[in-house]
Amino acid sequence: GAVVSQHPSWVICKSGTSVKIECRSLDFQATTMFWYRQFPKQSLMLMATSNEGSKATYEQGVEKDKFLINHASLTLSTLTVTSAHPEDSSFYICSASVRSGNQPQHFGDGTRLSIL
Amino acid sequence: GIQVEQSPPDLILQEGANSTLRCNFSDSVNNLQWFHQNPWGQLINLFYIPSGTKQNGRLSATTVATERYSLLYISSSQTTDSGVYFCAAEGGGADGLTFGKGTHLIIQP
Repeated sequence: GAVVSQHPSWVICKSGTSVKIECRSLDFQATTMFWYRQFPKQSLMLMATSNEGSKATYEQGVEKDKFLINHASLTLSTLTVTSAHPEDSSFYICSASVRSGNQPQHFGDGTRLSIL
Repeated sequence: GIQVEQSPPDLILQEGANSTLRCNFSDSVNNLQWFHQNPWGQLINLFYIPSGTKQNGRLSATTVATERYSLLYISSSQTTDSGVYFCAAEGGGADGLTFGKGTHLIIQP
């Protein structure tokens, strides 16, 4: 149980393109989903917290107009990287938990984004 | 926010050896998880262990919440255990996980 599916797993696109990444909880409802970013040979950094039916909460230094998050249902959150540039190239990974706090987070397999 | 420190940053062992990875955290936690990240980037959840001790095969973990540390033990290491091990913690506000910088483990045949 507690499977999180992330799609696509790999994207290569031209600079200026907008890219949408989907994160789905397949067998549970997730009131909260999280988006993380990992640069090569570095750790994962939390970008934003996505709450179903409300605005996302962004970490300091993360541009909310650049990284649009929508959590329209209890099983789907999307991250859109708008007008992507080479510096946005990274590994993006989402997680979801059944309830807020005192529960493990379940991670998707990640999306490797390369902007040319 | 919560701070998470892992040690050692790098560890090279021979196959069959035992290893201990440490994670220190700066505040009380509602969530502490250990992960193994494989070469494709997938995070494999090893343990959800905000307190206490758990075992799964050759792996075990202990978290002493009052002293704010957690240990991951790997016994009889195999080459397939190689990779990066992350500890991640979440405080009381359900604010998302803070990851340590990881331990890069290399098991040599």
